Amino acid sequence: DVKVTQSSRYLVKRTGEKVFLECVQDMDHENMFWYRQDPGLGLRLIYFSYDVKMKEKGDIPEGYSVSREKKERFSLILESASTNQTSMYLCASSSYLAGADTQYFGPGTRLTVL
Amino acid sequence: DQQVKQNSPSLSVQEGRISILNCDYTNSMFDYFLWYKKYPAEGPTFLISISSIKDKNEDGRFTVFLNKSAKHLSLHIVPSQPGDSAVYFCAVEPSGGGATNKLIFGTGTLLAVQP
Repeated sequence: DVKVTQSSRYLVKRTGEKVFLECVQDMDHENMFWYRQDPGLGLRLIYFSYDVKMKEKGDIPEGYSVSREKKERFSLILESASTNQTSMYLCASSSYLAGADTQYFGPGTRLTVL
Repeated sequence: DQQVKQNSPSLSVQEGRISILNCDYTNSMFDYFLWYKKYPAEGPTFLISISSIKDKNEDGRFTVFLNKSAKHLSLHIVPSQPGDSAVYFCAVEPSGGGATNKLIFGTGTLLAVQP
């Protein structure tokens, strides 16, 4: 059974704090993605990675960075959290051999920045 | 600039009737069109897809229609069941994306199926 796990389901942080969101997949997938979901805006891509140590900006990378030191782990970093980064964060992974429909998502992290 | 739009934020349907969810896109350079379903407190899960060279794909109660001239995608659920109540996202895969499987998602439609 395929699995994408995220380190926390709920997180509360203060403005200016450095925040780490962790994502781990056990499917040996090459591609990993970070999205945020906001009402009325759908899922928006923040960053993605197609290989270890490789990353590309998505549609809304400002205020975020990522790290992929191992194939199974993709971290999203908020260098200095702000209230407009309060959102649901979703991690996903996919194999480039299998096509677009195999993007598997984790359960999400609800981040609140006070 | 939203390339994929779902103009109905919500839809309410009676159990047993047809649910029709709609999606419009503004670019023709897409290879695949997909629908994902999301329950509260869970990540989205893949539901059904269609290639840009087809106009219909069916999987049980779910059928996706693609009208390329109108740049319109729709998902039909027949018959609708209370367990179908969820947020539905359409998504598109841009052409030339290579092996990255990058998707562009719509804004989502909350479907409520009333018993």
